Amino acid sequence: DVKVTQSSRYLVKRTGEKVFLECVQDMDHENMFWYRQDPGLGLRLIYFSYDVKMKEKGDIPEGYSVSREKKERFSLILESASTNQTSMYLCASSLRGSYGYTFGSGTRLTVV
Amino acid sequence: GENVEQHPSTLSVQEGDSAVIKCTYSDSASNYFPWYKQELGKRPQLIIDIRSNVGEKKDQRIAVTLNKTAKHFSLHITETQPEDSAVYFCAALNNAGNMLTFGGGTRLMVKP
Repeated sequence: DVKVTQSSRYLVKRTGEKVFLECVQDMDHENMFWYRQDPGLGLRLIYFSYDVKMKEKGDIPEGYSVSREKKERFSLILESASTNQTSMYLCASSLRGSYGYTFGSGTRLTVV
Repeated sequence: GENVEQHPSTLSVQEGDSAVIKCTYSDSASNYFPWYKQELGKRPQLIIDIRSNVGEKKDQRIAVTLNKTAKHFSLHITETQPEDSAVYFCAALNNAGNMLTFGGGTRLMVKP
């Protein structure tokens, strides 16, 4: 019963490529989040969205952008991929007024 | 904004022993503190949470304690088993009530 789906489990891209990471949730959640997970650094927030077409920067937005054209889909965009963006990317969603997050399975991105 | 620190970063215990993971937070307005468990290659999943009007909460072998005055909370796992081996994250809800800030994670290893 997967509820937050990330389109790719593993991805290898070249430096300078434009990369799209997709996240879809089927729980009608208003809030969606993109985190980056690196060893020893925990989960760092890149961008989040509380509604369709709105977005807010998190702690490490540089080099990333997002798109939320539909409530169920939140896309993370790497405008020009660099090797320091090699990481595990986790999407999460939550219901407005509810505190619990549901995470996706993650996308492990390698930039070569 | 909220800052959450988590210790230790790694913890190794013998099967059957207890494990304790500690977190501190900075925003005194935070009132919700979840703990997530992430097994190798899997998504983080909520295992227990506590709200600020409660000092302790138990669920079988897992308990969480909260000291609002000192702004710290802890996860206690008793009678540890090999399947408890995972990375554990603490988190605190921001004062707007819509976003979690995560600690850096603790890698727990339970040796049989």
